[in-house]
Amino acid sequence: DTAVSQTPKYLVTQMGNDKSIKCEQNLGHDTMYWYKQDSKKFLKIMFSYNNKELIINETVPNRFSPKSPDKAHLNLHINSLELGDSAVYFCASSRSFSGELFFGEGSRLTVL
Amino acid sequence: GESVGLHLPTLSVQEGDNSIINCAYSNSASDYFIWYKQESGKGPQFIIDIRSNMDKRQGQRVTVLLNKTVKHLSLQIAATQPGDSAVYFCAETPRIYHGNKLVFGAGTILRVKS
Repeated sequence: DTAVSQTPKYLVTQMGNDKSIKCEQNLGHDTMYWYKQDSKKFLKIMFSYNNKELIINETVPNRFSPKSPDKAHLNLHINSLELGDSAVYFCASSRSFSGELFFGEGSRLTVL
Repeated sequence: GESVGLHLPTLSVQEGDNSIINCAYSNSASDYFIWYKQESGKGPQFIIDIRSNMDKRQGQRVTVLLNKTVKHLSLQIAATQPGDSAVYFCAETPRIYHGNKLVFGAGTILRVKS
């Protein structure tokens, strides 16, 4: 039973398209995150939500819009995809006030 | 493998030897530090953490050392096993709060030779 699951695992799309990645956690955590990992393995936080409230919103283009319908779900919608958006996107969750993040397996986005 | 082409620091160790992975951090305000392990094709996995009021913490086969004077963090793995082969990241944050902004380092590849 996967703790943090995200779909799809792979996404190949054309520039200019809009796509979404979904994430669900069954750990009962209050906080969820989106991280982006580039081709050099560099991991950078994009957003974090606590109890459905946006807490962290890093310098991310407005084309990226997270949405948390409830504490167990955090989705990421990307408009007008660009080549530079190609990366692996990781969803994670944690208890509030904990640095122990539980990551999903990642969604590899390739923009052609 | 997935690490081909990556220009991350690489540590190669013989199975059974001890490994030491180092990390330098720049934010002197950082209060909390964590090590994560990322195996090929998977998400990062928490290994061990340490707060700035400590200089050493031990887990199962792992030890984290913190030197705040020189802003240096290390992860020691005892009796390294093939399953320890992965990319290791240190992460830091000025404080733990309900949102938790962890800043990850660049990563070190650990290769274990059998």
